[in-house]
Amino acid sequence: DTEVTQTPKHLVMGMTNKKSLKCEQHMGHRAMYWYKQKAKKPPELMFVYSYEKLSINESVPSRFSPECPNSSLLNLHLHALQPEDSALYLCASSPRELAKNIQYFGAGTRLSVL
Amino acid sequence: SQQGEEDPQALSIQEGENATMNCSYKTSINNLQWYRQNSGRGLVHLILIRSNEREKHSGRLRVTLDTSKKSSSLLITASRAADTASYFCATDLLNTDKLIFGTGTRLQVFP
Repeated sequence: DTEVTQTPKHLVMGMTNKKSLKCEQHMGHRAMYWYKQKAKKPPELMFVYSYEKLSINESVPSRFSPECPNSSLLNLHLHALQPEDSALYLCASSPRELAKNIQYFGAGTRLSVL
Repeated sequence: SQQGEEDPQALSIQEGENATMNCSYKTSINNLQWYRQNSGRGLVHLILIRSNEREKHSGRLRVTLDTSKKSSSLLITASRAADTASYFCATDLLNTDKLIFGTGTRLQVFP
């Protein structure tokens, strides 16, 4: 199984809502990533988890809160988002937290903040 | 800041033609990867070339790397309509664990 599964596929939320994005992989990978991608732009790294510990936070605003409950799951909790946070949110995993490893991406969650 | 710049930004060709896209980067790397992204979907890894390699092939894909010029190219031969997608180069920065994506090339292949 070489799949990274993200749910939901689409999410519309108001600025006062709290929601969560979920990511799951069963490849035994020990590194997991959150990226944000705006239209016609490259993915931008947000967070990296290595062995279930947060290892990189790219100065992401606190309204985004990542969580790694176990080695297969990665969540991104959203609270009080702004319209400019509307984007495609991609999850990825790799065998270890080394950028020289290939990353496997999920299909993404398309988020719209109203 | 962005590590990779790709050109062209967009490329339109007919089926059967070859497509070449280029990536330039700024700092020393361990390796360079190419990914494909179909519209609004996740990225799919295509090929990885290490800093001590100059050329690599995978099916209809040919990648070159020139570390002296800090540049790479991706050639897709005998293109198909299904190759229509955005293509990103991605580099890892030495002494970091980050993968930095280039600006991307949007390829349109017409049947």
